[in-house]
Amino acid sequence: DAGITQSPRYKITETGRQVTLMCHQTWSHSYMFWYRQDLGHGLRLIYYSAAADITDKGEVPDGYVVSRSKTENFPLTLESATRSQTSVYFCASEPGLAGRLAKNIQYFGAGTRLSVL
Amino acid sequence: RKEVEQDPGPFNVPEGATVAFNCTYSNSASQSFFWYRQDCRKEPKLLMSVYSSGNEDGRFTAQLNRASQYISLLIRDSKLSDSATYLCVVRPEYYGNKLVFGAGTILRVKS
Repeated sequence: DAGITQSPRYKITETGRQVTLMCHQTWSHSYMFWYRQDLGHGLRLIYYSAAADITDKGEVPDGYVVSRSKTENFPLTLESATRSQTSVYFCASEPGLAGRLAKNIQYFGAGTRLSVL
Repeated sequence: RKEVEQDPGPFNVPEGATVAFNCTYSNSASQSFFWYRQDCRKEPKLLMSVYSSGNEDGRFTAQLNRASQYISLLIRDSKLSDSATYLCVVRPEYYGNKLVFGAGTILRVKS
């Protein structure tokens, strides 16, 4: 049972480079999410997707791009990395059970630690 | 004002102690509430959902007070393994799937 996996687990890059973080889930969950976690801020939503080819902005989308051509994959791209994007990035998925919001649990990947130098 | 606020702690307690955390939320239309647990440098994991009537799971009890817009988590008979950051999580829109996370409360249980 692979669940939800993120790759790479660690990444060091330089300012101005493009970086793509991968997220893959095996549950066929409808919803997928990208968060970043910084000290003192908790988890903040970057982008989310309700289904393949449907994406929407979260709280902090600037500088990021997402796509979802297949239900199981939800890559996050930093088009031109900046030092302020140094963070821990978590991908999550949720089944999207209509009318059962309390049962709609989000499951998280292990995270990607990104450092932008 | 943050949408979900928690006391960051840390709460330092001895093994066997009872400890309680509170969390307040600003959106009165919020419909779903959760406590997640996050161990150091790892992903958040669901600890328990919080139901209107309150609910218990072993040593953990969660309460919801809609009138005052706060959620609580009570941990009885604390174990060393309870040491973690506890995240208060709110779903603010009835038909939305987005979650809002508090910054977390750090618990350290010492022998």
